[in-house]
Amino acid sequence: GAVVSQHPSRVICKSGTSVKIECRSLDFQATTMFWYRQFPKQSLMLMATSNEGSKATYEQGVEKDKFLINHASLTLSTLTVTSAHPEDSSFYICSAIGGNTEAFFGQGTRLTVV
Amino acid sequence: GDSVTQMEGPVTLSEEAFLTINCTYTATGYPSLFWYVQYPGEGLQLLLKATKADDKGSNKGFEATYRKETTSFHLEKGSVQVSDSAVYFCALSRGNKLVFGAGTILRVKS
Repeated sequence: GAVVSQHPSRVICKSGTSVKIECRSLDFQATTMFWYRQFPKQSLMLMATSNEGSKATYEQGVEKDKFLINHASLTLSTLTVTSAHPEDSSFYICSAIGGNTEAFFGQGTRLTVV
Repeated sequence: GDSVTQMEGPVTLSEEAFLTINCTYTATGYPSLFWYVQYPGEGLQLLLKATKADDKGSNKGFEATYRKETTSFHLEKGSVQVSDSAVYFCALSRGNKLVFGAGTILRVKS
């Protein structure tokens, strides 16, 4: 199947700093990418949907100024957690859709804010 | 709104045991239903799907049937292997967005 690479897989940062997470589709052009967040023992919650070349659409309750999403090309979307705080510690997962409607997922990023 | 409820885990089975992981959903209309699997250290992978009522999705020995009357999509496998140990997520689609259940950890012992 198609491959989506997410980087880094783990990151630890200090409170107040910003962290960037990359999501790349390696063998297909991703017209739409999604960012999810997963809390322990809870569902993956959709944070935002991004289409290449346009602004991301955020789900209700997600702060767009805190979670900056850029989808500048058909193979790359980035999520930047700005001024991170310990409550932002979580598992972040991206997914990408290309020509068909099947979503392919990255391996996830474990963010720990200390 | 749409939601998916899965049985809580972890589910621990011996090799060759029968597996059932329950999944029920709440949604308007008739969404497509999915099971995803996440092996340790890897991303989610589509395991199987069903797009309409009474459809049965199957893959790698796993099966699930879209039951409209009970709004369920239970995952089954007749004989599990140690390599099936993973986290299993039930999901429904609303357009191109997915709504996930909380995930069920499966541990298979040899």
